[in-house]
Amino acid sequence: SAVISQKPSRDICQRGTSLTIQCQVDSQVTMMFWYRQQPGQSLTLIATANQGSEATYESGFVIDKFPISRPNLTFSTLTVSNMSPEDSSIYLCSVETSGPPYEQYFGPGTRLTVT
Amino acid sequence: ELKVEQNPLFLSMQEGKNYTIYCNYSTTSDRLYWYRQDPGKSLESLFVLLSNGAVKQEGRLMASLDTKARLSTLHITAAVHDLSATYFCAVDIIEYGNKLVFGAGTILRVKS
Repeated sequence: SAVISQKPSRDICQRGTSLTIQCQVDSQVTMMFWYRQQPGQSLTLIATANQGSEATYESGFVIDKFPISRPNLTFSTLTVSNMSPEDSSIYLCSVETSGPPYEQYFGPGTRLTVT
Repeated sequence: ELKVEQNPLFLSMQEGKNYTIYCNYSTTSDRLYWYRQDPGKSLESLFVLLSNGAVKQEGRLMASLDTKARLSTLHITAAVHDLSATYFCAVDIIEYGNKLVFGAGTILRVKS
């Protein structure tokens, strides 16, 4: 398994500002992902955080809005830029373990409210 | 495009009863996951199913996978209140980069 921490756990931000969310895992992993869970909804993948190269974004998500860093195999950040109330969601990072059975584990999430 | 459908979306059941949650997906998948989410919490991994006919059990929950039918089930036996949560299935395809596509989730309420 993997132990994942996220900072901050929650925040209330004003529209037009940006917030950077950190994700730290207790072991080296190849695959790290960022998901969004809007209120009462399921999870949607934002992007795959690639170590040493640019993140791979899903349809509907762009780098200017959600820049991602992955400086090493245990850490990643997601920035939510120029926030609007529609960005109010839970943001979760996940990792896939680097050996069998290749399970995906989720961090505790960051609850973001934009006013 | 990979699509994942869960049903029912909401399930209210009495303690002691049995029920099944269904998860259908639209294309060949490499792995199928079941997660539990309590209100205000993150996702807890319950099961990972890798091959056709796979069956896994933990306590009152049993998950199975039929890759030919592209169907997974999560069966609840003799439900207890502590099982109340939202349950998600998710599938991934390795060639698409191991990213998970989630079902809408099933809100389970077990009444005492």
